[in-house]
Amino acid sequence: AQSVTQLGSHVSVSEGALVLLRCNYSSSVPPYLFWYVQYPNQGLQLLLKYTTGATLVKGINGFEAEFKKSETSFHLTKPSAHMSDAAEYFCAVSQNRDDKIIFGKGTRLHILP
Amino acid sequence: ETGVTQTPRHLVMGMTNKKSLKCEQHLGHNAMYWYKQSAKKPLELMFVYNFKEQTENNSVPSRFSPECPNSSHLFLHLHTLQPEDSALYLCASSQEAGSNTEAFFGQGTRLTVV
Repeated sequence: AQSVTQLGSHVSVSEGALVLLRCNYSSSVPPYLFWYVQYPNQGLQLLLKYTTGATLVKGINGFEAEFKKSETSFHLTKPSAHMSDAAEYFCAVSQNRDDKIIFGKGTRLHILP
Repeated sequence: ETGVTQTPRHLVMGMTNKKSLKCEQHLGHNAMYWYKQSAKKPLELMFVYNFKEQTENNSVPSRFSPECPNSSHLFLHLHTLQPEDSALYLCASSQEAGSNTEAFFGQGTRLTVV
């Protein structure tokens, strides 16, 4: 069975500092991995995804994530945080030929001025 | 415009009421999903429809009844709900369930059961 673990339900960083949101997954087969962002009173919006190929994936708004199979991780990073990055971030995993997209519990990112 | 539209955005209903949530997607996708998002809990997958056929019912109580008349529309019929059912209900669609394409989400329906 597949699952997703996001370390830290809340993360605070200063504006301009590095953002690092952690995600570990378990999957019996090569996974598809996603990061979504949810702004208040909104649905989820895709930031980036990994399917196959290059393990470093670049997404929107300056975010990127690296698939590390040996560590079963897919951490999300951004070099310099902006106030507009304050939101909740969800890591998700799905498997080929499986109907489920499984989400982590989410990490709320706070940006300090 | 996300391509996935949910109505209503907010709903308050009594425990004896019957109401329906509607989801519509204009993306040409073949898979549609209902998720429940409660405070301090992970997103819970409720139902999956792939090519109009229900392929997943994640142990959801029978007071939630989904309907998928075509690939573009998905409903969630509600009856005799409990206060703990209050949550944000999110609809999503993807090209095909089990594929590597991402899910596109609607803005959700904020449901309050009183």
